Order: sequence, then C-alpha cells, then structure tokens
Amino acid sequence: AQTVTQSQPEMSVQEAETVTLSCTYDTSENNYYLFWYKQPPSRQMILVIRQEAYKQQNATENRFSVNFQKAAKSFSLKISDSQLGDTAMYFCAFMKQLGNDMRFGAGTRLTVKP
Amino acid sequence: DSGVTQTPKHLITATGQRVTLRCSPRSGDLSVYWYQQSLDQGLQFLIQYYNGEERAKGNILERFSAQQFPDLHSELNLSSLELGDSALYFCASSVSVAEDNEQFFGPGTRLTVL
Repeated sequence: AQTVTQSQPEMSVQEAETVTLSCTYDTSENNYYLFWYKQPPSRQMILVIRQEAYKQQNATENRFSVNFQKAAKSFSLKISDSQLGDTAMYFCAFMKQLGNDMRFGAGTRLTVKP
Repeated sequence: DSGVTQTPKHLITATGQRVTLRCSPRSGDLSVYWYQQSLDQGLQFLIQYYNGEERAKGNILERFSAQQFPDLHSELNLSSLELGDSALYFCASSVSVAEDNEQFFGPGTRLTVL
C-alpha cells in the first residue's frame, strides 16, 4: 500500500522569504503522479503543482517548485517570495498511474507572517 | 471555481439519522470520487465511480453507500450516523481514469452529527 508522510505538522515563514515543505512516500510502483494541494481557511482543495514520476525535470508553477527525488521517494515543495495568501494547509498526495484514488499526507499548516 | 458542485454546503443532523450528499461533476468528466476529511486531517478516499459504475473502494464504512446516475451526478448516502462521522466530505471529478489523472475538487459538504 502506498503511504504519504508529511513530517512537519506546522511551519511558519516571513513574508517574501522562501520555505520548503517536506513529503516522502512509499510505493513499489514505477509510474505514478505526485501532487501538492493547498487548503486555505475556506477549505477548498486547490491544486498547486503536480509531477509525473517519469519526468526527470522538476515541475514549476510561478513561485512554486518541487524537488522530486525518485530514488529517495521524496517530493518537497518550495514556495518562493511567500505571500500572506499562501497561508493554508498544504497536502502532499500520491496516485498510481491508472490509479483510482489519491493517498494524502496528514498535511502541513503553513503560516506566512507579515 | 473548479466546476464541481456539491450540495448542501452544511448539514447538521442527529445520531442515527440518514443523509444524502450530492455532487455534480465538471461538464465532460465521467469519473467521480468521494473523500472524507475529519478535523485537521488529510483526506481519506471513500469510493470512485466511472460512467455509472463503481470503480474502486477505499475506507468506506458499510453504513455508507454511493451511486452515480445516468446524468453523471453522484450521491453519497450516510446512514445510522455516529458522532465520528462529522467531517468535511469532498467530491472530485476527472475526465477519465487514464488519460487525465487530475482531480478537480468541489467545495465540500460539512456534516455535523450531534
């Protein structure tokens, strides 16, 4: 079974600085997808970034980038130039290729301080 | 706005009761997923339907059931409710199970069992 671990329950960062959220996962699959979702106080689940395991290049979306280490089964999220609106719960998620369900980590609560 | 709609937004009921949560997927999406998020925890996959048929089951209790109708909307039925069933229930949809694995989440239904 696939498991996703987020070892940082809470983190904080000063506005405009950079923060990295950690995620590790366990799988025997070779092809899969990894995701970071943001859940602000509104509780809406918002996709931040996704990574296909077969791609070596790390995904980037504006201020958000990932460090995907397939051999180490690590998938960290880097947020650059942090903004107050980045304050939210961040969930790492895993899904097999042709998968039917996403496995989520327990989440990291990020607070951006002014 | 993800294009996925869920009703109702909030539901308050008593133990032992039965409720129905409704989800309308994005236009063109054939696959619907249900997730449960208990307080400050990650999402737990419950069940998936694809084009009207059950595709996968996760940690769904026997007191819970779901279905997907010909118009592709889905309902999650929760019966003999217990206090521990209080949670946020998310519906997500995707185009298919293979071609595009991105799931788009609805705003959720918050269920409170008193």
